[in-house]
Amino acid sequence: GAVVSQHPSWVICKSGTSVKIECRSLDFQATTMFWYRQFPKQSLMLMATSNEGSKATYEQGVEKDKFLINHASLTLSTLTVTSAHPEDSSFYICSARQGTSNQPQHFGDGTRLSIL
Amino acid sequence: GDSVTQMEGPVTLSEEACLTINCTYTATGYPSLFWYVQYPGEGLQLLLKATKADDKGSNKGFEATYRKETTSFHLEKGSVQVSDSAVYFCALSDNGNNRLAFGKGNQVVVIP
Repeated sequence: GAVVSQHPSWVICKSGTSVKIECRSLDFQATTMFWYRQFPKQSLMLMATSNEGSKATYEQGVEKDKFLINHASLTLSTLTVTSAHPEDSSFYICSARQGTSNQPQHFGDGTRLSIL
Repeated sequence: GDSVTQMEGPVTLSEEACLTINCTYTATGYPSLFWYVQYPGEGLQLLLKATKADDKGSNKGFEATYRKETTSFHLEKGSVQVSDSAVYFCALSDNGNNRLAFGKGNQVVVIP
């Protein structure tokens, strides 16, 4: 149980294009979803937290107009990297949690984004 | 604020050796504690958890005990396999805070 599917797993795009990443909880309803960014050999950096039907809460230093998050249902959240540039290349990981903060987050397999 | 500290540096050991990865934390409330494992090119998988003091989480031969007196949640396995090679992250979640605080992670390499 508690499976989170993230798609696509790998994407290469030209600079200036927008890229959408989907995160789905397959067998549970996710009260809250999280988006992280991970640099090589480093820990996860939280970008934003979203609750279904609400605006996402962004961490300090994360541009909300650059990284658009939509959490339209209890099983789906999307992250759109708008007008992507090479410095946006990274490994993006989503997670989903059912219930309160003492419950574990369940992670997707991540999306490797490469901007040329 | 809440924070998690993991021991520095990668861990390299031989198959069937004992593994211990230290994790200590600071938190203002009564956190839940987690260990996650990340295999190359993948996201994080929940390995085990403990939600209150003296709880022991266990899974796949790994164990960790929530020690409030020492604010620790050390991960142990008695006999590692090559397939245990991965990065291990300690994390905490405070009920008053919506986020997970992660440690920096430890690369574990098990040599046949």
